[in-house]
Order: sequence, then structure tokens, then C-alpha cells
Amino acid sequence: NAGVTQTPKFRVLKTGQSMTLLCAQDMNHEYMYWYRQDPGMGLRLIHYSVGEGTTAKGEVPDGYNVSRLKKQNFLLGLESAAPSQTSVYFCASSVRWRGDTQYFGPGTRLTVL
Amino acid sequence: RKEVEQDPGPFNVPEGATVAFNCTYSNSASQSFFWYRQDCRKEPKLLMSVYSSGNEDGRFTAQLNRASQYISLLIRDSKLSDSATYLCVVNTANTGNQFYFGTGTSLTVIP
Repeated sequence: NAGVTQTPKFRVLKTGQSMTLLCAQDMNHEYMYWYRQDPGMGLRLIHYSVGEGTTAKGEVPDGYNVSRLKKQNFLLGLESAAPSQTSVYFCASSVRWRGDTQYFGPGTRLTVL
Repeated sequence: RKEVEQDPGPFNVPEGATVAFNCTYSNSASQSFFWYRQDCRKEPKLLMSVYSSGNEDGRFTAQLNRASQYISLLIRDSKLSDSATYLCVVNTANTGNQFYFGTGTSLTVIP
């Protein structure tokens, strides 16, 4: 049981490049989330999904897109990376929505030059 | 105004000490409250949920004060292994059921 895994662990992009971050969970959780963590800002929710085929915007969705084609996978896309997207990205999943434990992946450290 | 605010610290305490952290939240409609622990360059992990009546888990005690809109975490008999950043997390139903994280309070337990 691997829990929540994220690919890749590190990435350096140039401004304007695109990339996709992959999150996978093997706990059969319905809900999945993408956060970014910046110094002095705390974790902020980018997008989330309440089930296969559904996505919704979080607190800071601009510049990102997501897809949940399979229940176990949640993809985060950056179509045209900007230096402001340099951050640590965490994926999380939970059984239910409110009041439930979120299990986090190990994070992806992204630098945009 | 931030949804959740914490004193960033750092708190440097000797082994065996008792230390308390507070966290305030701005939305009175908030319904679920948690403390997460995050080690350096690692992912956050749930430490404990916070219930209205207060709850205890070993050396850790969490309290919720809805009237004043703050939650607290008390750590007794601090261990070196307690050194980490403690994140206050609030779930608010009337803003799309989002989770809001505080910036964290840094704790270092000194031998």
C-alpha cells in the first residue's frame, strides 16, 4: 500500500514551458486535492475533485488545469509556466470531504526560471 | 484578512517542557478543525482532529473555543522528536468546503 505518490519529485522549467504533475492513490479515496506551499503563505488549494470525472476550482486555480479520468489519478497541468508558479506542490486524498483526514503525497518541487 | 492565522515562532523549548500553540480563524461558519505536523521538506501528516469538547492523545491536547474563534495545541513533556512545524487547518462549509491552512508554527526541542 503506497498511499499517495507524486511524479516527478523535482522539476525545473523555463518560462512558457508546459508540464503535467501526476498524483496517484491506492486507497480508493473519492476526494483528491492539489495544493501549493510557498514560504509565509501556508498550503493553498489549487483544484480538487470529489470523484472520478469531476473537478472544481480551489482558492488559487489560475494558470492550472486538472483532470480526473480515473479514480486513482489526479493530474495537474501547467500550460505556460511562469516564475510565480515556482513552489512545492502537494497532492492529497481523503475518503470523504468535510471533517476527514487528508493523506498527502511527498510533494513536487518545481522551479520556473 | 487571512482565514487562519498562527504565530510562526520559532518556539525553542528544552526537553520535558510544556509548550502551547494557538491559532485563530476568521470565519465563524468553520466546522472542522485539525492540527497537522510537517517535518522539514516533508508532507503534512495529521496529528489530531479538534473536537468541540476538547480532546487528548497521549502528550497532546487540543482545544476549540468557538466563541473566540481559536484552537490550541498543548504538548506536554516535549521530546526531541516533536521538533517540526505544526499546521492549523480549518474546514469551512460556506466557502465551497475548502480547507484553509495556517502558515505553521515552528517548534524545536533542545536537548
